[in-house]
Amino acid sequence: GAVVSQHPSRVICKSGTSVKIECRSLDFQATTMFWYRQFPKQSLMLMATSNEGSKATYEQGVEKDKFLINHASLTLSTLTVTSAHPEDSSFYICSASWGGRNQPQHFGDGTRLSIL
Amino acid sequence: TQLLEQSPQFLSIQEGENLTVYCNSSSVFSSLQWYRQEPGEGPVLLVTVVTGGEVKKLKRLTFQFGDARKDSSLHITAAQPGDTGLYLCAGEGGTSYGKLTFGQGTILTVHP
Repeated sequence: GAVVSQHPSRVICKSGTSVKIECRSLDFQATTMFWYRQFPKQSLMLMATSNEGSKATYEQGVEKDKFLINHASLTLSTLTVTSAHPEDSSFYICSASWGGRNQPQHFGDGTRLSIL
Repeated sequence: TQLLEQSPQFLSIQEGENLTVYCNSSSVFSSLQWYRQEPGEGPVLLVTVVTGGEVKKLKRLTFQFGDARKDSSLHITAAQPGDTGLYLCAGEGGTSYGKLTFGQGTILTVHP
């Protein structure tokens, strides 16, 4: 159980393009979803926390107008990287939790974003 | 800001050896989770420890949560090449309700 699907797994696009990444919880209702960014051989860096039906909470230093997050339902959250540039190239990972203290986060398989 | 110091960052050992990975903090966590991640994939949850002093075993992996809930360790007995991967500890607690604070990660390579 607790399967999280992330799509697409890989994106290659030109600079200036906006890219949307989807995160779906397939077999449970995710009250909270998290978006992370990960550089090669490094740990995960939290970008934002999204709760269903409300605005996302962004971590310090993360531009909310650059990384648009929508969590319109209990099974779907999207991250849109607007006007992407080469420095936005990274591995983006989402996770989902059914909320509450000490509940584990279940991770998607990530999206490798490459901006040319 | 809660910090979780994970060590070592890199570990390269021979098959059959034992190893321990540590996560330490000055903050108290309500729970601590250990994940394993392979290249190009998302982290997979190994275990969650909640109670101070708790010890959990998962085959050859032993996880311990410190009595004060500020530190944790992962011990692998008789490591195998299939154990190779990035191991991450992550703590939840304090003001970061629901959010995880990740350690820097340990890249483990087990040579046959």
